[in-house]
Amino acid sequence: DTAVSQTPKYLVTQMGNDKSIKCEQNLGHDTMYWYKQDSKKFLKIMFSYNNKELIINETVPNRFSPKSPDKAHLNLHINSLELGDSAVYFCASSQTQGVGSPLHFGNGTRLTVT
Amino acid sequence: KQEVTQIPAALSVPEGENLVLNCSFTDSAIYNLQWFRQDPGKGLTSLLLIQSSQREQTSGRLNASLDKSSGRSTLYIAASQPGDSATYLCSPQGQNFVFGPGTRLSVLP
Repeated sequence: DTAVSQTPKYLVTQMGNDKSIKCEQNLGHDTMYWYKQDSKKFLKIMFSYNNKELIINETVPNRFSPKSPDKAHLNLHINSLELGDSAVYFCASSQTQGVGSPLHFGNGTRLTVT
Repeated sequence: KQEVTQIPAALSVPEGENLVLNCSFTDSAIYNLQWFRQDPGKGLTSLLLIQSSQREQTSGRLNASLDKSSGRSTLYIAASQPGDSATYLCSPQGQNFVFGPGTRLSVLP
């Protein structure tokens, strides 16, 4: 029943490793997003995809690469993890990127890099 | 670039009080403004969405207003309860999807 689901919920890994976070939405939405919430609780957009096409790509290291195999999925791959990547990563979706289209969030993935 | 501020940063009130949370944004070219709550260690729960053509939205004890031309939105919470304790975030949505830093609300029994 979960509208936007992310896995895993927690991810603990060492510096230098490569990891992936998966996101799926069953709302039939066209647009999906990745947000990062840092230790100060600021939420910042990283990427946005509309119908599998990248439409927003904020200033994010190219170690982060989103992949959208279909419009219901948007996965986040992170290469060569660094300590500063530790944060909570949220996936979200919306029907479109426009008027009257609210954002729906997943429960987040807490990434800890040691 | 859209800049969002929220005042106050933190608020502690006794149960039963009415309160107002403020959100200001610099770019009025938005099509929605959405209010969320975030409980500690949890995701974001959508509270209200106001379309750019609307002035306010109501849901239960919550009322949100939007003055797009002046770049302001307020969230009014009536008869606050301890269960309202959370961080409240506003998100003006236009070309970019940005969030304010949040207001941390504590409602004391």
